[in-house]
Amino acid sequence: AQTVTQSQPEMSVQEAETVTLSCTYDTSESNYYLFWYKQPPSRQMILVIRQEAYKQQNATENRFSVNFQKAAKSFSLKISDSQLGDTAMYFCATGGGSNYKLTFGKGTLLTVNP
Amino acid sequence: NAGVTQTPKFRVLKTGQSMTLLCAQDMNHEYMYWYRQDPGMGLRLIHYSVGEGTTAKGEVPDGYNVSRLKKQNFLLGLESAAPSQTSVYFCASSYELRAGGHTDTQYFGPGTRLTVL
Repeated sequence: AQTVTQSQPEMSVQEAETVTLSCTYDTSESNYYLFWYKQPPSRQMILVIRQEAYKQQNATENRFSVNFQKAAKSFSLKISDSQLGDTAMYFCATGGGSNYKLTFGKGTLLTVNP
Repeated sequence: NAGVTQTPKFRVLKTGQSMTLLCAQDMNHEYMYWYRQDPGMGLRLIHYSVGEGTTAKGEVPDGYNVSRLKKQNFLLGLESAAPSQTSVYFCASSYELRAGGHTDTQYFGPGTRLTVL
């Protein structure tokens, strides 16, 4: 079984500042993936960043980076130089291994203020 | 490429009515999924398919049926709609990394907002 916990239902940040969204997970899989998806007001689910659990190096995508702590089962998302367009719901998810499915957390609503 | 498309985008039903949601993908993905999204609940898996002609139950399958007659299409049916099925429904697809079931990034459709009165 897999579980994903996002302990921050809502967060806010000023434009151009840095914010970190928390995610902890639990899985019995030995070879799994971790994801952050963004859902803006348009409702579209957009992949932000992906991490393969067997890789120690933290994934980065432009202003987005993760802090992957495998032993602690923690997968936080850091957004640098926040922009108004980053305002969205952010979902952490895990999947892979023998599991065809992704398990999602309940989401963190991030608001970027001008 | 259109990616993953869903039809319709919005629908209002009366209790007891039936309907089918259509999901189509043009990425030749093996795996397809149906989720529902409710406030404060994240995304919950309804049913999924690991290939043409196959379907399996997810986390919340009751009241729904699915079919995957063609690789590119995945249909979600509600035989007798109930107000508890008011939700936003997302379809997703992903490719198989290798034989044995490893799956990777899921690509989502734009969603269907369904209201059951």
